[in-house]
Amino acid sequence: AQTVTQSQPEMSVQEAETVTLSCTYDTSESDYYLFWYKQPPSRQMILVIRQEAYKQQNATENRFSVNFQKAAKSFSLKISDSQLGDAAMYFCVQGGSEKLVFGKGTKLTVNP
Amino acid sequence: GAGVSQSPSNKVTEKGKDVELRCDPISGHTALYWYRQSLGQGLEFLIYFQGNSAPDKSGLPSDRFSAERTGESVSTLTIQRTQQEDSAVYLCASSFFRGRPTGELFFGEGSRLTVL
Repeated sequence: AQTVTQSQPEMSVQEAETVTLSCTYDTSESDYYLFWYKQPPSRQMILVIRQEAYKQQNATENRFSVNFQKAAKSFSLKISDSQLGDAAMYFCVQGGSEKLVFGKGTKLTVNP
Repeated sequence: GAGVSQSPSNKVTEKGKDVELRCDPISGHTALYWYRQSLGQGLEFLIYFQGNSAPDKSGLPSDRFSAERTGESVSTLTIQRTQQEDSAVYLCASSFFRGRPTGELFFGEGSRLTVL
């Protein structure tokens, strides 16, 4: 069975600094996708970034980037130049041939 | 509409009553998920529909919970004889499957259920 583990229930970062959120997963599949979703207090879930497992290059989206280590089954999210609007719950998600699986989330606080 | 629509956005009910929550996915999206989220917590998977395949009901917490989907359109989640522990936000999400769940999940804004 697929599992996704986010070991940091809560994280905090100073505005303009960099923070890394951790995620590990377990799957027997070789072809799969990984995602980070953000859920701000308004509760609307938003896709932040997506990584295809067959691609070695780490995905980036503006200030958001990932460190994808396929052999270690690790998929961390780095947020650079943190902004107050980055405060949210962040969910790591893995999807393959079966339904998508969510981690339990990391609550990120951004301090001014 | 352009996005996933859920109704009602808020529902207050009395313990023991039945409630029905509705989800209108994005047109053309074959995959539809229901999740439950308690305050400040992660997402609890409830049920997954994919096209005409038998739904994955492995997340439904009890037989008081059921869900239906008509083809690739509207889905309803029904909770019978509601209990206080059913109070949560119920989120619906849809995606274009394309053979595996690679597509972006689009979420509705959720239905907040409060059982008194």
